[in-house]
Amino acid sequence: KAGVTQTPRYLIKTRGQQVTLSCSPISGHRSVSWYQQTPGQGLQFLFEYFSETQRNKGNFPGRFSGRQFSNSRSEMNVSTLELGDSALYLCASSLAVGATQETQYFGPGTRLLVL
Amino acid sequence: KQEVTQIPAALSVPEGENLVLNCSFTDSAIYNLQWFRQDPGKGLTSLLLIQSSQREQTSGRLNASLDKSSGRSTLYIAASQPGDSATYLCAVYNKETSGSRLTFGEGTQLTVNP
Repeated sequence: KAGVTQTPRYLIKTRGQQVTLSCSPISGHRSVSWYQQTPGQGLQFLFEYFSETQRNKGNFPGRFSGRQFSNSRSEMNVSTLELGDSALYLCASSLAVGATQETQYFGPGTRLLVL
Repeated sequence: KQEVTQIPAALSVPEGENLVLNCSFTDSAIYNLQWFRQDPGKGLTSLLLIQSSQREQTSGRLNASLDKSSGRSTLYIAASQPGDSATYLCAVYNKETSGSRLTFGEGTQLTVNP
């Protein structure tokens, strides 16, 4: 079974631009979560989607948004990029929200550099 | 608000040594606790998942324990090898008003020297 895939793997943008990152969960998984990892803040929760609905949101500004499609694939968008948005963005999938006996499976991440 | 702390931040040991990584969390109302491994520039690999009702889990040379009431977990690595060098992350899974989230510690960077 294929793992979680994220595209693109690497991205360079300039301040003020916007970016869209994509995540394809493991087949059959319906919950997708996004995390941001930076050296200063560590791993922080961005959002969680299930059945095309955002179920939970972390403490990030409105410039960060996301969505989930009917096939469970998810995208996140960051508008008006700032230097501080440079990070590794990780996507994780699981069978369902609150699947407490299930681990979340992480993708390889998209490394975003904002110049 | 859940907070997760990992000690030590970095650890360097000779090959063959047994070692313990520590994780503490502030809110004991968790559903499970997971230990992950992260290699430089890579994503996360799940090592062990302990349900809140469990006390420990074992996989090969790894053993993780959980004391939910005191908010502590340990990851024990036996007979360490250079291939174990990585960052180890502890994460707790909380159900929230709507949805859920993993809260991560800052990680322990482990170096095993040949």
